[in-house]
Amino acid sequence: RKEVEQDPGPFNVPEGATVAFNCTYSNSASQSFFWYRQDCRKEPKLLMSVYSSGNEDGRFTAQLNRASQYISLLIRDSKLSDSATYLCVVNSLSNDYKLSFGAGTTVTVRA
Amino acid sequence: GAGVSQSPSNKVTEKGKDVELRCDPISGHTALYWYRQSLGQGLEFLIYFQGNSAPDKSGLPSDRFSAERTGGSVSTLTIQRTQQEDSAVYLCASSPGLAGRRGEQYFGPGTRLTVT
Repeated sequence: RKEVEQDPGPFNVPEGATVAFNCTYSNSASQSFFWYRQDCRKEPKLLMSVYSSGNEDGRFTAQLNRASQYISLLIRDSKLSDSATYLCVVNSLSNDYKLSFGAGTTVTVRA
Repeated sequence: GAGVSQSPSNKVTEKGKDVELRCDPISGHTALYWYRQSLGQGLEFLIYFQGNSAPDKSGLPSDRFSAERTGGSVSTLTIQRTQQEDSAVYLCASSPGLAGRRGEQYFGPGTRLTVT
C-alpha cells in the first residue's frame, strides 16, 4: 500500500466554482502534512502546511482528519491560474526529514 | 533572493556513461534532498543530507547512484553506467532543517536526464 494516495482526477471546473479533493495516508503516527502544487513541467512549490485544527490561506482551505487519516484541500472561487497538479505530502513515520509525496490530483479550471 | 539552482537543465547521455548532476541550495539551508520524477509519476525520494552527512540513503535505486555534499552547500548526484530506466527529471530541494519546518522544501527546476 502506498504511504499517500490521491485521486488523480482530473477535476475540470469552471472559473468561480469550488473544488475539493482528499488524500489518504497510511501511517497513523505521521505528524506533518502539506499541500504542494506543481505546474506542468515545473518543480513542486509549497502551497500550505496543514494544521490539526484546519487552516485557511486566502481561497484555499486545508483540513486534517486524523481519525480517518485523510487530508483535504478546498479551493474557492477558482481562477484559471489554479490549474495545476496538487500534491499531498506527509512526513515519514521514522524520519521527519523524509517526506512522502502523493502522485497528485490534477485540477483544470476552464473559462 | 536566490532559489535552488540545478545544472545542467538537460542532459542527454548514452547508455553506459556516467553523469554528474549538481545542486546549489538556498544559502543557509542545512537540509538538502534529491528526488526523481518519471513522466506522469510522483516524486521518488532518493537521499537527503543534514549538513554534509547523509543519514538516509535508502532511496538510492542501486549502487550505481551516489551523492555527496561539501561545505554544507553544493551537492552532486552521480549516476554511473547509466541505464535507460534512469531517464527522469532529477529534482533537488533544500529546507531550513529546523524542527517543524523540515517539510517546507524549496525545489530547484530539475535536471531532465535522457539516456539513449
